[in-house]
Amino acid sequence: SQQGEEDPQALSIQEGENATMNCSYKTSINNLQWYRQNSGRGLVHLILIRSNEREKHSGRLRVTLDTSKKSSSLLITASRAADTASYFCARRGRDDKIIFGKGTRLHILP
Amino acid sequence: GAGVSQTPSNKVTEKGKYVELRCDPISGHTALYWYRQSLGQGPEFLIYFQGTGAADDSGLPNDRFFAVRPEGSVSTLKIQRTERGDSAVYLCASSLTVGPSYGYTFGSGTRLTVV
Repeated sequence: SQQGEEDPQALSIQEGENATMNCSYKTSINNLQWYRQNSGRGLVHLILIRSNEREKHSGRLRVTLDTSKKSSSLLITASRAADTASYFCARRGRDDKIIFGKGTRLHILP
Repeated sequence: GAGVSQTPSNKVTEKGKYVELRCDPISGHTALYWYRQSLGQGPEFLIYFQGTGAADDSGLPNDRFFAVRPEGSVSTLKIQRTERGDSAVYLCASSLTVGPSYGYTFGSGTRLTVV
């Protein structure tokens, strides 16, 4: 399978809480990206972190990258109902292909 | 255009028929990618173009699948003798170029249903 590992597969939290999703991969990367997908259609690019970076922030999003452990995490702070979606990590390897994980389905409870 | 455009948005075809799916990338984006996504799964890489040439087609599942990008802009994914297992959402994405600093912009996809 092309796909890496993400956990959890599904996550339900109360509105206002923080949501953390993790991603692991096996091969070396140029960068790692996180995407959001609503209703099984278009993916929206959230944030990109390069292999020489350890942490990036964008609004309520925080991404970390640990290349020694081949893992990344996405933290969404102060979650909102509109954050309900599937979240995918995608790693860009040396061959410039971007390979997606299976995703985490996040559900924000009112 | 302002975004990546994919047409049609939905396509229902009979088993054994030929289909073409079109992707119109963001103007000026040299890299174009095709993915296929089945229900509950992440997008699966099919092929990517840098300019007019297919830089990597290793994800195409078999020789019934073919993609072209003759002028380095619009791309067409072609599927011959469709099978029910080909049913999925086909996603196209473009990027300014290849490289570690560039993310993708995705289209809304074409939902292909083979009956």
